[in-house]
Amino acid sequence: QKEVEQDPGPLSVPEGAIVSLNCTYSNSAFQYFMWYRQYSRKGPELLMYTYSSGNKEDGRFTAQVDKSSKYISLFIRDSQPSDSATYLCAMSADNAGNMLTFGGGTRLMVKP
Amino acid sequence: GAVVSQHPSWVICKSGTSVKIECRSLDFQATTMFWYRQFPKQSLMLMATSNEGSKATYEQGVEKDKFLINHASLTLSTLTVTSAHPEDSSFYICSARQGGQPQHFGDGTRLSIL
Repeated sequence: QKEVEQDPGPLSVPEGAIVSLNCTYSNSAFQYFMWYRQYSRKGPELLMYTYSSGNKEDGRFTAQVDKSSKYISLFIRDSQPSDSATYLCAMSADNAGNMLTFGGGTRLMVKP
Repeated sequence: GAVVSQHPSWVICKSGTSVKIECRSLDFQATTMFWYRQFPKQSLMLMATSNEGSKATYEQGVEKDKFLINHASLTLSTLTVTSAHPEDSSFYICSARQGGQPQHFGDGTRLSIL
């Protein structure tokens, strides 16, 4: 079993839909949780960074962490075609991540 | 803020040559830099971690004589793929972090060995 599990997709949604992306993990030591967006042939771009359990909102993006269930989510409201990318969750037990453990990535396609 | 620049973005070279990839943090001092390799439709695989002025720490299975890493300053790290062969063809991505901040990634280098 992988330490971090992420549905690879692809996930196809119409423009304007609410998107829910999820990761589950097994290591209870993880405290720092990140979501990265990666466009084709580009490096990952940090979208959200959260510590421990709770919610964090930034514009159309909301990150949720439920440490008791070892489950994290990224919600995208009013999805746009420009949101089409691969979304990677990442997590770390140390202070924001010398050692990041990545999910496999979910490929999202938002159709106009 | 937190911009990481990687150069070149794409390189094609003949088998047996050495290739150097640069990674620069443009607007912050990177105490730690990381080098990853990514295969198509897969997640990132950490190759090595380097701290400025120190020898890099390589992950298991990564040949340090094959992938030379130099982190000479707080804003620059280089990865040299020595005597590259077709199996070294891949997408190489660097990242950098400062203190307790998350890692920020460069845009990657597509390496093709003929």
